[in-house]
Amino acid sequence: ELKVEQNPLFLSMQEGKNYTIYCNYSTTSDRLYWYRQDPGKSLESLFVLLSNGAVKQEGRLMASLDTKARLSTLHITAAVHDLSATYFCAVDSGGGADGLTFGKGTHLIIQP
Amino acid sequence: KAGVTQTPRYLIKTRGQQVTLSCSPISGHRSVSWYQQTPGQGLQFLFEYFSETQRNKGNFPGRFSGRQFSNSRSEMNVSTLELGDSALYLCASSPRTGWDTEAFFGQGTRLTVV
Repeated sequence: ELKVEQNPLFLSMQEGKNYTIYCNYSTTSDRLYWYRQDPGKSLESLFVLLSNGAVKQEGRLMASLDTKARLSTLHITAAVHDLSATYFCAVDSGGGADGLTFGKGTHLIIQP
Repeated sequence: KAGVTQTPRYLIKTRGQQVTLSCSPISGHRSVSWYQQTPGQGLQFLFEYFSETQRNKGNFPGRFSGRQFSNSRSEMNVSTLELGDSALYLCASSPRTGWDTEAFFGQGTRLTVV
């Protein structure tokens, strides 16, 4: 059974600081996704990582994938309040047929 | 380009009733997946449909069922509702062709069972 673990689950940080969210998964996969969810809202797709060594950046967020270590990271640079949200990583191990297995999410609060 | 549309957005039902939720995927997307989100269990995969066929199902009882129509629209049905079925139900649409597997989520249907 595929397990996806995120840490930390809760993170409070100040604006301007850098931080990293980690996503470990238990079985072989070369497809990993990061989503953002605002309170009461749906999931917004942030990054799709499809191969070992993949790195993608969008604004202050950068995601990477190491399939050998079964680890993905979401790095936040110079955080701003608007990035406050819950961030989920999800792994697709079955070519789509098994659906996405999500981590529990990282609840990120960025304080002025 | 229209996004994923789920209806209704909110529902209140009584224990023992049944409910049907609807999802219209992004035009051209043939895959529709359903997820249940609760504070305790997080996001859990219910099932996926591709070209009107259920490809797989998550670990949910048979009270949860679904179908997909020829226009890729999908419905999810929950029979004999229980209090624990209260959740946000999310539908995801994806092309599922080759490496194009990115899933786009609808706004969800928030179901409350009383």
